[in-house]
Amino acid sequence: EPEVTQTPSHQVTQMGQEVILHCVPISNHLYFYWYRQILGQKVEFLVSFYNNEISEKSEIFDDQFSVERPDGSNFTLKIRSTKLEDSAMYFCASSELGGGASNEQFFGPGTRLTVL
Amino acid sequence: AQKVTQAQTEISVVEKEDVTLDCVYETRDTTYYLFWYKQPPSGELVFLIRRNSFDEQNEISGRYSWNFQKSTSSFNFTITASQVVDSAVYFCALSEGFTGGGNKLTFGTGTQLKVEL
Repeated sequence: EPEVTQTPSHQVTQMGQEVILHCVPISNHLYFYWYRQILGQKVEFLVSFYNNEISEKSEIFDDQFSVERPDGSNFTLKIRSTKLEDSAMYFCASSELGGGASNEQFFGPGTRLTVL
Repeated sequence: AQKVTQAQTEISVVEKEDVTLDCVYETRDTTYYLFWYKQPPSGELVFLIRRNSFDEQNEISGRYSWNFQKSTSSFNFTITASQVVDSAVYFCALSEGFTGGGNKLTFGTGTQLKVEL
């Protein structure tokens, strides 16, 4: 069964460093998302991406964040200068459609980011 | 603005008991979608069920069933004959009508379900 994959599973970085989190969405999906979950808290929306551009972003997704789909399969989240409060689990998700019958989002296993 | 409330922080049951997880949502849209996701201790998010706002028919799928009531803005989820493997955090989520660029999910704070022998 197709699934969303994410690498690495765990990333440790120093405060101020740049990190890139990688995701491979399900191949026939058109909509891509990033969410984060601070330990013990709820899952929060960061950004949605469709047709090679950001379609919506939350207030969390400030100038230090960026997303890219560098080729036909990968979807990346870059954090330019990490802060301690960026430590969280980052989930990538994809959906076949944006609304209607097939809009359920399938999530990857997550990347745990630890900022020291 | 959309909002999801899961008032139950933690529920403990004994195996084979039925358990209902509560979810109350707020939205201004007339078209929206409701979801339940499961997050086992391993951390991944597993899609369980989806419901459209224009279909209030309640259904049963195996040991899972849900009760969607627009009048009370509730979307409760029931596990029948719970098993230890059901132990997880369960998230209710809402997305509003199609905006053309995808639909963000707004999650509740989750309910930790512990099923004991």
